[in-house]
Amino acid sequence: GDSVTQMEGPVTLSEEAFLTINCTYTATGYPSLFWYVQYPGEGLQLLLKATKADDKGSNKGFEATYRKETTSFHLEKGSVQVSDSAVYFCALRASGGSYIPTFGRGTSLIVHP
Amino acid sequence: GAGVSQSPRYKVAKRGQDVALRCDPISGHVSLFWYQQALGQGPEFLTYFQNEAQLDKSGLPSDRFFAERPEGSVSTLKIQRTQQEDSAVYLCASRGGSSTDTQYFGPGTRLTVL
Repeated sequence: GDSVTQMEGPVTLSEEAFLTINCTYTATGYPSLFWYVQYPGEGLQLLLKATKADDKGSNKGFEATYRKETTSFHLEKGSVQVSDSAVYFCALRASGGSYIPTFGRGTSLIVHP
Repeated sequence: GAGVSQSPRYKVAKRGQDVALRCDPISGHVSLFWYQQALGQGPEFLTYFQNEAQLDKSGLPSDRFFAERPEGSVSTLKIQRTQQEDSAVYLCASRGGSSTDTQYFGPGTRLTVL
């Protein structure tokens, strides 16, 4: 079945550091790929998405590129802020009309001043 | 309101009690999803509604779980005879139409079964 694997957290960084959170997936066909963010006490919010190979999703300084050859969708940001502290979830939605996303376990990011 | 709301935010139940969790989706959103999120895990799909029709309940873990959306707006997830393994955060999400991927999530209800 479809699955998403994320690097384990917490990831702890100093402000202005470079961020990478790894995500790989297993799915047949050409799934859509997503990153969600969950701030403390809030619901999940869609951060960015990509729907086909080599697409780059970007939002709020975050970006991720859909790599079909490595089945990856790693999240990056060049300079993190304390306000980026949250839990980040990688997810996929299978091709063929599926409406149910499959989520990874989430990676906690802690940014220190 | 502007977003998806859920109530209660926290619920403590004794094993064997019945609980009801409420979700108010964004007004006009056709699709509504329920997820279960265990500690340290990602959300797991439970069930999906399109308007008042429950189109998919394949993720409901047992027949103790029941969901309804009688008027195509507010939805209730009911868990009968709660067990300790039901302890989790229950998330609700709504989506405007089938042509969009974007689901809007509520803050969740944290259920603790003692």
